[in-house]
Amino acid sequence: EIVLTQSPGTLSLSPGERVTLSCRASQSVSSNYIAWYQQKPGQAPRLLIYGGSSRATGIPDRFSGSGSGTDFTLTISRLEPEDFVVYFCHHFGSSRTFGGGTKVEIK
Amino acid sequence: QLQLQESGPGLVEPSETLSLTCSVSGGSINSYNFYWGWIRQPPGKDLEWIGTISYSESTYYNPSLKSRVTISMDTSKNHFSLKLTSVTAADTAIYYCAKQTDHYQRCCYTTEWGQGTRVTVSS
Repeated sequence: EIVLTQSPGTLSLSPGERVTLSCRASQSVSSNYIAWYQQKPGQAPRLLIYGGSSRATGIPDRFSGSGSGTDFTLTISRLEPEDFVVYFCHHFGSSRTFGGGTKVEIK
Repeated sequence: QLQLQESGPGLVEPSETLSLTCSVSGGSINSYNFYWGWIRQPPGKDLEWIGTISYSESTYYNPSLKSRVTISMDTSKNHFSLKLTSVTAADTAIYYCAKQTDHYQRCCYTTEWGQGTRVTVSS
């Protein structure tokens, strides 16, 4: 089973800042099988990125995904107030697992 | 617009079977290349994929749950279902149903989520 580790668990930032969230896989995987989700409190997750770097329908272009091998990132170029929530990475290739999530909170 | 809604008991006794249904509106569950899945989130823990059923009724299960899980679909009612047998407190979680999509011939990431239903396993 491929384990996804997201670090740090919490990031404290200010609106307008740029943030890069990390997702590290326990072994090399194809970026084709990496997705990112956003989860607001009390809500279901929402798909942001699939295939490592493709934005889902309706997702603002301030969200971008990249990476290869074991290291993948979700970048938010300029944090809006509604972006201060939790983000999960997801691998759906040979195994189907989720990272533990990173919470982005307001400093 | 596609909508998914979970339904089922919120409380299940240990050793019993957890049964949930996901009703789909705004689309047909047997549409070509649609996949339907279940994902859960135990309190304070990571999301966990439970399993997926395809439009052609092929199933994919989490190996750690495979012996206890059955996912099925009823095209006449446009819904799909989850059964998890021999439940314990460790199965307490929010259960989400999901519409999923394959990518580069691998199943699947989730494009639409239900609101989730909380299931507690307790006597």
